[in-house]
Amino acid sequence: KNEVEQSPQNLTAQEGEFITINCSYSVGISALHWLQQHPGGGIVSLFMLSSGKKKHGRLIATINIQEKHSSLHITASHPRDSAVYICAVKRTDKLIFGTGTRLQVFP
Amino acid sequence: DAGVIQSPRHEVTEMGQEVTLRCKPISGHNSLFWYRQTMMRGLELLIYFNNNVPIDDSGMPEDRFSAKMPNASFSTLKIQPSEPRDSAVYFCASSPHPGLAGPDTQYFGPGTRLTVL
Repeated sequence: KNEVEQSPQNLTAQEGEFITINCSYSVGISALHWLQQHPGGGIVSLFMLSSGKKKHGRLIATINIQEKHSSLHITASHPRDSAVYICAVKRTDKLIFGTGTRLQVFP
Repeated sequence: DAGVIQSPRHEVTEMGQEVTLRCKPISGHNSLFWYRQTMMRGLELLIYFNNNVPIDDSGMPEDRFSAKMPNASFSTLKIQPSEPRDSAVYFCASSPHPGLAGPDTQYFGPGTRLTVL
């Protein structure tokens, strides 16, 4: 079993829909990260979380430390949100990545 | 700044050949990371350097893989001999922070897509 699991693996949506991507982990962590990888391959950081909730524009990320679970939400999804979303957890000595969720938003 | 530069962007080679991937980090950054990305395993951290010194290479899959950082502006990842299962996208990233910097402080290069036939 992977130490970081994401669901779903693939997700399609119509423009305007509310999107949720989930990440569960089985190890103790100091922080959890959400990354976005565009179709061209570029990887950018969206959020770093150690507790609670963060919001940036239409993106919201939450984490429940006790349940070892995080969610990334996209409100009013748009075709330009189409990308692979990657969850990563950080321990003092390790960075562990999920395999990603491929999101396609159609107009 | 041009960002992290990787070369080549695409490499196709035959099994058994030596492959060298190159990375130029952002000037002034202290840390450099090599990653491999496959559909099955996602992103995996292979090795990282702080101030040109390899700190943790526990992610390097086999002795066929080696990485060097001879100076602050250049690093290589070498696979010798290459095998079809090495086919993946290899990313380099740099960070201004020392230690095992989180992805939030890392700047990723565009990646090298390696295909081993």
